[in-house]
Amino acid sequence: GENVEQHPSTLSVQEGDSAVIKCTYSDSASNYFPWYKQELGKRPQLIIDIRSNVGEKKDQRIAVTLNKTAKHFSLHITETQPEDSAVYFCAATGLSYNTDKLIFGTGTRLQVFP
Amino acid sequence: SQTIHQWPATLVQPVGSPLSLECTVEGTSNPNLYWYRQAAGRGLQLLFYSVGIGQISSEVPQNLSASRPQDRQFILSSKKLLLSDSGFYLCATDGTVNTGELFFGEGSRLTVL
Repeated sequence: GENVEQHPSTLSVQEGDSAVIKCTYSDSASNYFPWYKQELGKRPQLIIDIRSNVGEKKDQRIAVTLNKTAKHFSLHITETQPEDSAVYFCAATGLSYNTDKLIFGTGTRLQVFP
Repeated sequence: SQTIHQWPATLVQPVGSPLSLECTVEGTSNPNLYWYRQAAGRGLQLLFYSVGIGQISSEVPQNLSASRPQDRQFILSSKKLLLSDSGFYLCATDGTVNTGELFFGEGSRLTVL
C-alpha cells in the first residue's frame, strides 16, 4: 500500500519569510496529492491539491509542486503570516481506485513568529 | 454540500471500559466514510473505511472496531479501552462527487486513564 513521508516535523519561520514542506510517496499509481491545514483544536481542511497531470499549482501565497519521477511533492508558502501557523498534512491516493483512501503524512507544525 | 456530525466531542474513560463514537453525514447518499486517529507524532492514521452499509475495511490491527448500520452512520467502538487508544478521532467523508477532497467532522478527543 501507499506510504507517505513528510519533513520536517516542525518548522519555525519569521513573518514574511517562505516555508517549504516536503513529502515523498511510495505508490507510483497515486495520482492525487492534497495538502490539509489543521489549526489548533480544529478539523483538517483542504488548502490546495495537485493531480499527476500537472507539475505545479499556485493559489495566491501557496503553491504545490510535484515530481512524479522522483515521487515527491512540496508545499511552498510565501510571505508567511502568523495566521499560517498550524499543522500541515500532505496526502496521496489514486482517484481511479474503487476505494480511494487518502494516506497522510505525519504532519508539519509550522510556527510563524511576528 | 455534505455536513458531518460527530459526538461526543470529548470523552474521558477508564482503562477497560467500552467506547462508542458516532458519526452521521448529511447532504449526501452512499458516501465513503472513514475513521482516522490523530496521535502525537503519527499524523492522521486511517483506521477504518466503509463504502456501504455493513461494509467495513480495517487498515491496522487494533483494539477498535467499526460498524455502519445505516447509509450515513458510522460508529467506532471498543469493548475494552487501552491507554494507547487515547487520541483525537476524526470521521470523514468524500461525499458522492469524488473530487478527492475529504471533509472531516469536528473530532472526538478521547483520553483513557
